[in-house]
Amino acid sequence: GAVVSQHPSRVICKSGTSVKIECRSLDFQATTMFWYRQFPKQSLMLMATSNEGSKATYEQGVEKDKFLINHASLTLSTLTVTSAHPEDSSFYICSVRGEALPEQYFGPGTRLTVT
Amino acid sequence: GNSVTQMEGPVTLSEEAFLTINCTYTATGYPSLFWYVQYPGEGLQLLLKATKADDKGSNKGFEATYRKETTSFHLEKGSVQVSDSAVYFCALGNAGKSTFGDGTTLTVKP
Repeated sequence: GAVVSQHPSRVICKSGTSVKIECRSLDFQATTMFWYRQFPKQSLMLMATSNEGSKATYEQGVEKDKFLINHASLTLSTLTVTSAHPEDSSFYICSVRGEALPEQYFGPGTRLTVT
Repeated sequence: GNSVTQMEGPVTLSEEAFLTINCTYTATGYPSLFWYVQYPGEGLQLLLKATKADDKGSNKGFEATYRKETTSFHLEKGSVQVSDSAVYFCALGNAGKSTFGDGTTLTVKP
């Protein structure tokens, strides 16, 4: 399967600042990338879906101006949490999917803590 | 719409016990079905998959059979190990979208 990396793995930032999280598909051309948020002991919440070169499609209730997603190439997507607040603290996970493949391959996740 | 319901946890077993984690789904059309595993502090890993009815997915001693008649995809393992302790997610993929169950935490004690 595909190898997906995320950077950073952990980040602590102050309230009001912005944080960028990178998701890279190392050996796989990801036509579609997904960003999820996971709270402790809970399932994944899909935030947005992005296709390379297109604007991301956000799920209902996710603020697109707060969570900026850029899918710049077939191997890179970024999630920027703007003006972060403590309630944005969470585990953010990206995943990739190739054309005509039904399964997703997940990154290792990024633990964001906003103080 | 699509939905996945999986057995609530947590599940605690002794080493070498038999494992079953139930998963049922609702979907239109012909979804693909998956089990993912998440170890503490990590992302999800694809454990196994089945893309059509009666397919059996298997990996690392785990198995699940796509049962269209009962809309189920139960995960089984004959003899669990301490290293199998993790959270297991059942999921379906349909028309480009994925739907995940709530996850079942498995703890295996020596």
